[in-house]
Amino acid sequence: DVKVTQSSRYLVKRTGEKVFLECVQDMDHENMFWYRQDPGLGLRLIYFSYDVKMKEKGDIPEGYSVSREKKERFSLILESASTNQTSMYLCASSLGLAGISYEQYFGPGTRLTVT
Amino acid sequence: AQTVTQSQPEMSVQEAETVTLSCTYDTSESDYYLFWYKQPPSRQMILVIRQEAYKQQNATENRFSVNFQKAAKSFSLKISDSQLGDAAMYFCAYSPTSGTYKYIFGTGTRLKVLA
Repeated sequence: DVKVTQSSRYLVKRTGEKVFLECVQDMDHENMFWYRQDPGLGLRLIYFSYDVKMKEKGDIPEGYSVSREKKERFSLILESASTNQTSMYLCASSLGLAGISYEQYFGPGTRLTVT
Repeated sequence: AQTVTQSQPEMSVQEAETVTLSCTYDTSESDYYLFWYKQPPSRQMILVIRQEAYKQQNATENRFSVNFQKAAKSFSLKISDSQLGDAAMYFCAYSPTSGTYKYIFGTGTRLKVLA
């Protein structure tokens, strides 16, 4: 079974703190994604990575950065947390062959509260 | 730009009955993939069913089936013999086959199953 794990289920941080969310997958997937999920807005893509050290902005990258130094690990960084970044953060991974859209496998999510 | 619309924020179904969740999308692409994902309360999001646009036959997975109307850009999910375990948020998603591995998600439909 594909397993995608996230470092924390719940996280509380203060405004202005630097926040790291980590995601690890064990299926040698090329693609990894970070989403935020908000009620009534669905899932919105923050960043994705299609290879080690490669990244591409999603729909809402402002205030976030990412790092992918190893294939299995994809980190989301909030450089200076703000209250409007309070949300559920979901990580996902998938295979990455051109021309085919594979199933994305999701982690359990991190509910981040910024106070 | 591609969009995915789920117009039913919430639906209810009696146990053992059938329910249909609606999804419409907009794209100028001719080839793409469509997905339904299920997110049970406090649990990981999982794939329910996947449809490739070039296939005319509607996908089925046990009690789950889709009604894919390409011309109308409609992709509804039918759940037969509903069970208490079907209670979840359901997300419709679109992904093109070319240029990107990105998904576009709808805003979700919360399904309640009544005993």
